Amino acid sequence: AQSVTQLGSHVSVSEGALVLLRCNYSSSVPPYLFWYVQYPNQGLQLLLKYTSAATLVKGINGFEAEFKKSETSFHLTKPSAHMSDAAEYFCAVSVLTSYGKLTFGQGTILTVHP
Amino acid sequence: GAVVSQHPSWVICKSGTSVKIECRSLDFQATTMFWYRQFPKQSLMLMATSNEGSKATYEQGVEKDKFLINHASLTLSTLTVTSAHPEDSSFYICSARGRQAHQGDTQYFGPGTRLTVL
Repeated sequence: AQSVTQLGSHVSVSEGALVLLRCNYSSSVPPYLFWYVQYPNQGLQLLLKYTSAATLVKGINGFEAEFKKSETSFHLTKPSAHMSDAAEYFCAVSVLTSYGKLTFGQGTILTVHP
Repeated sequence: GAVVSQHPSWVICKSGTSVKIECRSLDFQATTMFWYRQFPKQSLMLMATSNEGSKATYEQGVEKDKFLINHASLTLSTLTVTSAHPEDSSFYICSARGRQAHQGDTQYFGPGTRLTVL
């Protein structure tokens, strides 16, 4: 079975600062990895995904993530935080044999200070 | 593209009644839909996987007789919470996965339904 661990349930940054949200995964077979963002009382929006192509994945809103197999990591970054980035972020993993079932991390709440 | 809708967005019901939540893929055909439950300040927990034309597969610990799932077409799945109780109050989110190969394993999520049982 696969699993995801998000380090840090809360991350706080200043506007304009680097955003780094950490995600480590565990999987015995090649994984698909995703980052989703959730705004209060809303569903999840896909930010980006890794599906075994390029290891550096660029997503929407200036976010990107790098798949590092040796570190079993898929950290999410953004060079310069914006107030509108404040939300909860979820890392998720799936594998082909799970028929698309996603396993989510615990989530990280990002706060952006002016 | 890849828009998923849910209806209603919120519902309040009395204990003992049943509530139906609809999940629709608006611009693509979804061979598989997933139902999640999210309690406050927690992550999403998968409840069941719904494949068009077949019975849903429930995760361990989820009562299939309480949470009835029907996936009658490639664009519609419904979740019925039967004999709802206050502990069923939660945020229910559906997602859909398309059949086109280029969509890979991406799930597209609906906006969620807030259920409050009094």
